[in-house]
Amino acid sequence: KNQVEQSPQSLIILEGKNCTLQCNYTVSPFSNLRWYKQDTGRGPVSLTIMTFSENTKSNGRYTATLDADTKQSSLHITASQLSDSASYICVVSDRGSTLGRLYFGRGTQLTVWP
Amino acid sequence: EADIYQTPRYLVIGTGKKITLECSQTMGHDKMYWYQQDPGMELHLIHYSYGVNSTEKGDLSSESTVSRIRTEHFPLTLESARPSHTSQYLCASSDSGGRDTDTQYFGPGTRLTVL
Repeated sequence: KNQVEQSPQSLIILEGKNCTLQCNYTVSPFSNLRWYKQDTGRGPVSLTIMTFSENTKSNGRYTATLDADTKQSSLHITASQLSDSASYICVVSDRGSTLGRLYFGRGTQLTVWP
Repeated sequence: EADIYQTPRYLVIGTGKKITLECSQTMGHDKMYWYQQDPGMELHLIHYSYGVNSTEKGDLSSESTVSRIRTEHFPLTLESARPSHTSQYLCASSDSGGRDTDTQYFGPGTRLTVL
């Protein structure tokens, strides 16, 4: 069964600190992995996307890594800000987007305190 | 910021009412999607469309129906709402370029509460 598991379920950190969110998946065959940020009451917004051959991708203070062998990904947030408070969702596609389906994790709820 | 819009943002209605959730995008995307999301849970695909007059059911069974008469518009209808339909409904669209890395752009969502 294709699954995407994220940990931790929730995380609280102080402003300015770094954190790392984890994503493990069993989706096969693998096409690509995305990290989305979803603010409360809003739709998800794409942060990074990685294909099989990519093992790291950065977007400002966000850095995603991918180990396709162990089927694990992480999202590292550097120097957190209050606006980083959101749910971070890992999404895996099993084929090219024309035919492939997306498998969503339940997200990690990040809260940044001042 | 993606040019995809959903109305209403919040809706509270009584059981048995017919409702339509609106979704429109101005990016000219061929592919559009409807997802259902409960608090703390993953998104579930309930409907998708690859173009005008094309609609398909998603992974999660839903009593809702959709139509795609115009490229930019993808409304979702519930003929008779029930409390079990209470959820957040997210609309998304993507380009049909066929690239593996096509990204879905999401609307802000409609939070539906059926009393």
